[in-house]
Amino acid sequence: EVVMTQFTATLSVSPGERATLSCRASQNINTNLAWYQQKPGQAPRLLIYDASTRVTGTPGRFSGSGSATEFTLTISSLQSEDSAFYYCQQYNYWPPDFGGGTKVEI
Amino acid sequence: EVQLLDSGGGLVEPGGSLRLSCAASGFIYSTYAMSWVRQAPGKGLEWVAAISGSGSSTWYADSVKGRFTISTDISKNTVYLQMNSLRGDDTAVYYCAKDAAVVAGVSYFDSWGQGTLVTVSS
Repeated sequence: EVVMTQFTATLSVSPGERATLSCRASQNINTNLAWYQQKPGQAPRLLIYDASTRVTGTPGRFSGSGSATEFTLTISSLQSEDSAFYYCQQYNYWPPDFGGGTKVEI
Repeated sequence: EVQLLDSGGGLVEPGGSLRLSCAASGFIYSTYAMSWVRQAPGKGLEWVAAISGSGSSTWYADSVKGRFTISTDISKNTVYLQMNSLRGDDTAVYYCAKDAAVVAGVSYFDSWGQGTLVTVSS
């Protein structure tokens, strides 16, 4: 099993600032990583897959990078509607594991 | 537009059983694998089980293996999760999720149901 670690539990950022979220895999997962956004009371929503490919409809201020074991989700110029939990998920090995999540507070 | 409608959650006593359903529409159902992912109150996401589009292959998390069974009815575009021997730590919102990949195998999830709450308590 691949352990996915999101070291930052809560990130407090001011509107218009940049937020950088990290995700680490316990072994090499190539670029088989997805990022999800989850707002209170809602289902998760896929933002990015293959580490850096934005889903249609994901705002351009969201960008993903990284490979192997280190990954980053960057939200440039944070908007109030970006306040949410963000989860990374690897899909290089069974089972598909999620990180513990990072809460972005604005 | 892909739509996933979860149902079947509720309150059940420890040791009891429950069956969840997820009705899918808006895509060629038999082409994609489907998964169940759960979220305990205040906690993160945990993948539970997956089934291939044809129903011929299934995969389970160790935490539910031997207690939960995932199945599919292609004629109804519906995936099920039969949960037996339920325990307190099974309490969670259960989401069905559509795998993004056409080829069977581990994938990410590009569409999610709204979730259904399962509470295991006496």
